[in-house]
Amino acid sequence: QVHLQQWGAGLLKPSETLSLTCAVYGGSFSGNSWAWIRQPPGKGLEWIAEISHSGYTNYNPSLKSRVAISVDTSKNQFSLKLTALTAADTAIYYCARVPFDYWSRGTLVTVSS
Amino acid sequence: DVVLTQSPLSLPVTLGQPASISCRSSQSLVYSDGNTYLHWFQQRPGQSPRRLIYKVSNRDSGVPDRFSGSGSGTDFTLKISSVEAEDVGIYYCMQGTHWPRAFGQGTKVEIK
Repeated sequence: QVHLQQWGAGLLKPSETLSLTCAVYGGSFSGNSWAWIRQPPGKGLEWIAEISHSGYTNYNPSLKSRVAISVDTSKNQFSLKLTALTAADTAIYYCARVPFDYWSRGTLVTVSS
Repeated sequence: DVVLTQSPLSLPVTLGQPASISCRSSQSLVYSDGNTYLHWFQQRPGQSPRRLIYKVSNRDSGVPDRFSGSGSGTDFTLKISSVEAEDVGIYYCMQGTHWPRAFGQGTKVEIK
């Protein structure tokens, strides 16, 4: 069984940087790709980024200038950074294993002054 | 970018009756390897999304057989043969064929 556990700050101010990390327990880390998805309160799902175990990345063009995804295979972890936050970035952020068969519980990130 | 359009966006259903959700893609979702990476997710209130169906018609482990997926190319359907109370939630289709990945807007299933 695969379990994803994430952590990071839940309350940030405009212009600050969001930083989230997702740890993977169980299954094969190096044999998979990993993703971040977000969901604004009361709205739908938005794919943010993906990274392969070898570090190959893909980003949502709408966020590409502000987002970075990275992987640490030695710790079975991957991370998300999103810069220049605004209120529009307020959302539940989920990490998931590609092809989206395992998800984390999610972290609510609120951007407010 | 690929756009996925779901219909209806709201689906009131009587317990025990069937339900059907459509997902239409702005481009073919057939990948160069011959597979079609169209998946369906269920999100119950207050929970993370859960994958129900992968690659159009394959049920995930533990998913009741009242859920089925079908379709090809650009038109896809999720069917619930007999809706139960635990099926209440929002259902999303998602494409994993093209970059960037995309989700449909979601269809809210509720009990009449």
